[in-house]
Amino acid sequence: AQSVAQPEDQVNVAEGNPLTVKCTYSVSGNPYLFWYVQYPNRGLQFLLKYITGDNLVKGSYGFEAEFNKSQTSFHLKKPSALVSDSALYFCAVRDRDDKIIFGKGTRLHILP
Amino acid sequence: DAGVTQSPTHLIKTRGQHVTLRCSPISGHKSVSWYQQVLGQGPQFIFQYYEKEERGRGNFPDRFSARQFPNYSSELNVNALLLGDSALYLCASSLGPAQNTGELFFGEGSRLTVL
Repeated sequence: AQSVAQPEDQVNVAEGNPLTVKCTYSVSGNPYLFWYVQYPNRGLQFLLKYITGDNLVKGSYGFEAEFNKSQTSFHLKKPSALVSDSALYFCAVRDRDDKIIFGKGTRLHILP
Repeated sequence: DAGVTQSPTHLIKTRGQHVTLRCSPISGHKSVSWYQQVLGQGPQFIFQYYEKEERGRGNFPDRFSARQFPNYSSELNVNALLLGDSALYLCASSLGPAQNTGELFFGEGSRLTVL
């Protein structure tokens, strides 16, 4: 079965510093990978996706993610963190049956 | 354009009762998925519907059921509620399998509290 793992429950970053939120995947075949963000008491918002092509994918709000096939990783990155980036981030994969499977989430705290 | 709308936004039920949650997808989207998000966890897949037919079901008991209507809106029903059913129930819409590159568009959710 397709799955993703987010090894960090929480990541703390100082405002202005680069941030990375980690995700590894386990899939058979070519992966469809996603990142979503959830603000308090809200639904999830799509950030970006990797289907094929360039390994560096750019998304909303200045976020990007790097697909690494050899390391089976799809880490979310941003060059300079904002306090407003503080939220819950989910990595996800599309499985063979076309449903989206989410990781457990990583809480990102940007410290002023 | 309106996004995915869900109702009600909050509700409180007691054990043994049943609940119906409703979802209207984005105009033009034919697929609706339901997820359960327990506090502190990622969303867990419950159902996916496309063109009024069930296309996928997650690991949930038969107390959970859903349907999709001709206008592509959807209902999630949960019978014989348990305390553990307390969660945020998220509805997501997408274009559909044939055109789906994967991104889901989520509503704000229905927060169910079972007492």
